[in-house]
Amino acid sequence: EVQLLESGGGLVQPGGSLRLSCAASGFTFSNYAMSWVRQAPGKGLEWVSGISGSGGTTYYADSVKGRFTISRDNSKNTLYLQMISLRAEDTAVYYCAKEGKITIFGLFDPWGQGTLVTVSS
Amino acid sequence: DIQMTQSPSTLSASVGDRVTITCRASQSISNWLAWYQQKPGKAPKLLIYKASSLQSGVPSRFSGSGSGTEFTLTISSLQPDDFATYYCQQYNSYWWTFGQGTKAEIK
Repeated sequence: EVQLLESGGGLVQPGGSLRLSCAASGFTFSNYAMSWVRQAPGKGLEWVSGISGSGGTTYYADSVKGRFTISRDNSKNTLYLQMISLRAEDTAVYYCAKEGKITIFGLFDPWGQGTLVTVSS
Repeated sequence: DIQMTQSPSTLSASVGDRVTITCRASQSISNWLAWYQQKPGKAPKLLIYKASSLQSGVPSRFSGSGSGTEFTLTISSLQPDDFATYYCQQYNSYWWTFGQGTKAEIK
């Protein structure tokens, strides 16, 4: 069974940094692209960033480009999202999601349970 | 980026009703469209991909149709477990975008 477990969320001040992790199990991690998708409280879904199975290709939404960095450690079956210069509008539940193939494709299944990031002073 | 617009934003229905949700794309996305279901406090779950393909394990009362810019999700007979929020999402071109969601409520 595929399992994705996010961690690293919490309360951070505006301008601060945070690193999210997503531990994967139940599949050959390096064979699949992964993405981060976020959901602000009471709002809809917003794709944030994606990375290919090898880690060689990364994509970002314009709203986070230059501030967030996606990476992965295939030896540890773990996906990361390094976030800097955080803003109030980054407050959201952050989900990691498995893609359907090794290249970034944009079809997400399954998703982790999410980790809440709150940016506030 | 491609804008996705869902209607209605909220629907009120009874158990056993047939319900349809519409999703429109701001430009053609061929059939690169997915539908997700989300329950309160839970992660989204993939229901339909490639506009009309049912994800494994999803009940057959869910179906999808459409191509180009207009798509529909139909639930043939609404069940108590189906009261949730539904999102469409295009994966035709980076970056991937979602509709604003349709909340299915009990009438």
